[in-house]
Amino acid sequence: DQQVKQNSPSLSVQEGRISILNCDYTNSMFDYFLWYKKYPAEGPTFLISISSIKDKNEDGRFTVFLNKSAKHLSLHIVPSQPGDSAVYFCAARVEGAQKLVFGQGTRLTINP
Amino acid sequence: ETGVTQTPRHLVMGMTNKKSLKCEQHLGHNAMYWYKQSAKKPLELMFVYNFKEQTENNSVPSRFSPECPNSSHLFLHLHTLQPEDSALYLCASSQGLGSGQGEQYFGPGTRLTVT
Repeated sequence: DQQVKQNSPSLSVQEGRISILNCDYTNSMFDYFLWYKKYPAEGPTFLISISSIKDKNEDGRFTVFLNKSAKHLSLHIVPSQPGDSAVYFCAARVEGAQKLVFGQGTRLTINP
Repeated sequence: ETGVTQTPRHLVMGMTNKKSLKCEQHLGHNAMYWYKQSAKKPLELMFVYNFKEQTENNSVPSRFSPECPNSSHLFLHLHTLQPEDSALYLCASSQGLGSGQGEQYFGPGTRLTVT
């Protein structure tokens, strides 16, 4: 039973356009949601997070949106750059614990 | 050294071998984690340590034995592994329980192959 799902294994976007990565969850006991980026041969790198009591958090080119009623979050990257090509993981923190539950990842490719 | 380091980066071992993975964090964190990433599967949490005490064991087989001598170092001792244990093993660290927004900082991982 996977509690955090990224249903798109891959996404291809043209440089300069907006990249939208999606994530769905089933557990209402998550208090924070996080996005990680992973390059080959490296560990995941923390990108941005959002509290379950907010609906938007922005950091430079990255914005995360949370829709609690739909149990859905998304990461927007604008404008997309070639260096953004990586695998993106959505994760959720179990309230009151340190446990992070990860999605399967989406491979983003930015085309010049 | 900065961040989270892991050694070795690659390891090939037979099913009867005993080996250890090492992780060190230079971030002043109090919690450390072991994760397993198999092909086409999400990261799976294996163990959590807070202030050197194990606080979570995610039903991991006993052939994986963690050790946390202090808040900066974490080991994963391996013995009599199976080929299906071949995976990327990632170490992470974070502030202690109740702190921060849950962000964990990862090392580069050890790519383990069991033959």
